[in-house]
Amino acid sequence: GQQLNQSPQSMFIQEGEDVSMNCTSSSIFNTWLWYKQDPGEGPVLLIALYKAGELTSNGRLTAQFGITRKDSFLNISASIPSDVGIYFCAGPPLGGGATNKLIFGTGTLLAVQP
Amino acid sequence: DVKVTQSSRYLVKRTGEKVFLECVQDMDHENMFWYRQDPGLGLRLIYFSYDVKMKEKGDIPEGYSVSREKKERFSLILESASTNQTSMYLCASSLRYTEAFFGQGTRLTVV
Repeated sequence: GQQLNQSPQSMFIQEGEDVSMNCTSSSIFNTWLWYKQDPGEGPVLLIALYKAGELTSNGRLTAQFGITRKDSFLNISASIPSDVGIYFCAGPPLGGGATNKLIFGTGTLLAVQP
Repeated sequence: DVKVTQSSRYLVKRTGEKVFLECVQDMDHENMFWYRQDPGLGLRLIYFSYDVKMKEKGDIPEGYSVSREKKERFSLILESASTNQTSMYLCASSLRYTEAFFGQGTRLTVV
């Protein structure tokens, strides 16, 4: 099945640092979603983007919908230990049919050292 | 808040058993999904349903079946559990063309 290319695969940073990760696809998306998954839990939606060029913030998180509609970026400012987890991008590609069958990125594992 | 509830957090089953994983959502969503998550492989779609009694295969349907008799409930069935089906199973629901919300996951071990 199709997957989105997400980078980096993992990041090990110090508390207080800023974090950037991105997601790219060969297909055009109308929606980009960013999720965070804590160990042993289901993914939780962080930010949803619906328009090319859109920049949306949720606290210390900022995400952007790329102009080409084939990529998206997530930034976390001033990281804290509870930011630890796996971050996934996701979206329903154009032509996905009657339902929004979500495709997921491969995930970015974030570790924050106090 | 949207609530997606999976019936079990942890399950241990024997090889060959028939296993039922249940998922209930309380937001009248049309779409429901079952994914499995394995280290290094990300989230892979097993089956999804876009309406009651309607279902479509995802990327890895072999060894699984599903049932959606009511809009709020989507069941995943392992017809004859095998050790390679040991995994984290995630249920999700969504309105059409919008973001999906996940349950807490069921960690299934087949011995």
